[in-house]
Amino acid sequence: SQTIHQWPATLVQPVGSPLSLECTVEGTSNPNLYWYRQAAGRGLQLLFYSVGIGQISSEVPQNLSASRPQDRQFILSSKKLLLSDSGFYLCAWKDTGELFFGEGSRLTVL
Amino acid sequence: QQQVKQSPQSLIVQKGGISIINCAYENTAFDYFPWYQQFPGKGPALLIAIRPDVSEKKEGRFTISFNKSAKQFSLHIMDSQPGDSATYFCAATGYGQNFVFGPGTRLSVLP
Repeated sequence: SQTIHQWPATLVQPVGSPLSLECTVEGTSNPNLYWYRQAAGRGLQLLFYSVGIGQISSEVPQNLSASRPQDRQFILSSKKLLLSDSGFYLCAWKDTGELFFGEGSRLTVL
Repeated sequence: QQQVKQSPQSLIVQKGGISIINCAYENTAFDYFPWYQQFPGKGPALLIAIRPDVSEKKEGRFTISFNKSAKQFSLHIMDSQPGDSATYFCAATGYGQNFVFGPGTRLSVLP
């Protein structure tokens, strides 16, 4: 069966520090992968999606970036975090038309 | 045209009652309408979904009603339980399109 892993689960970072969140999918090949952000008590904001290795589409311009170095690996990065980057980051993958989410990574920027 | 509207923003229901959450869309190219359930600190989980070729889908206590002409769909939770307390998101998508999510409804079921 397919599974999705995200790490770290919780992260506290100072303003201006770098960020790296990782997502790995198992049990499938060539999935569509997504990064969403959820601010406290808010809805789901699509940040990036990828249909294949090295192929990244950005939905919201900001100081975040995404990379897909391997078929089942999706990384969310930042060179310098802002206070407004705090939130709950969710990786998701799409299979046969359905979207499945990971457990999320909670980022607090201080 | 890509927006999905969802109401109410929050909902309080007594145990055993019926919870109803409504969504509306504009893009007629959407052909898949899922509902997600999210508990605090967890990722959203697919709850139930419907395609526009049927007007209703039921899975246990959860039912989706779909009105294609009105471009509306709703989630009904029968015999609501405290364990159903969560945030619910409706969504819509179509061929070659990303999922578009509603803003969410926070449901509280009182014991």
